[in-house]
Amino acid sequence: GQQLNQSPQSMFIQEGEDVSMNCTSSSIFNTWLWYKQDPGEGPVLLIALYKAGELTSNGRLTAQFGITRKDSFLNISASIPSDVGIYFCAGRDTSYGKLTFGQGTILTVHP
Amino acid sequence: SAVISQKPSRDICQRGTSLTIQCQVDSQVTMMFWYRQQPGQSLTLIATANQGSEATYESGFVIDKFPISRPNLTFSTLTVSNMSPEDSSIYLCSATGQGYGYTFGSGTRLTVV
Repeated sequence: GQQLNQSPQSMFIQEGEDVSMNCTSSSIFNTWLWYKQDPGEGPVLLIALYKAGELTSNGRLTAQFGITRKDSFLNISASIPSDVGIYFCAGRDTSYGKLTFGQGTILTVHP
Repeated sequence: SAVISQKPSRDICQRGTSLTIQCQVDSQVTMMFWYRQQPGQSLTLIATANQGSEATYESGFVIDKFPISRPNLTFSTLTVSNMSPEDSSIYLCSATGQGYGYTFGSGTRLTVV
């Protein structure tokens, strides 16, 4: 089946630093989604990307849909302590709409 | 986006028993899904819940173990049957509809003892 490779697996940064994480796939997706999951909660959608090459921002977050449709990245600028959590990329299958998730990036922000 | 309510939020169950998890969406949605998230892991799709017909299961998941119902556009249940400790996980309901992305419930944290 389809697989998403998400990197890095974990990041330890200082407050105020910028963060970048990415996902690559062996197959094409028609939608890329980025989620954040806090402990004890379900994933919350941060950004959705629907077109190859699309660059979208949501506050301090910026994400891009790769031109090849096989990759995406998420950047977080000027990190703050509440950015701590697990970030997941997800690709939407070109068929009937199911999502495939990356392995997740655990973000720790030191004050 | 839609708001998804899942219950129970957590449960501790004896092995060999079954647990039914309910998922209620506050608006009509196109598709509903059930995921499993094992401790420290990513999300794995169990099945797509189809309204009025049998769910579509992913490889490795079968109806006898995870029967799913979706009687209408806003409600679905997942049953974890004949549970063993290996079934201890977070089970998540997700939905998508016209004009919004895939939304998740808060999950059901299941511990089988």
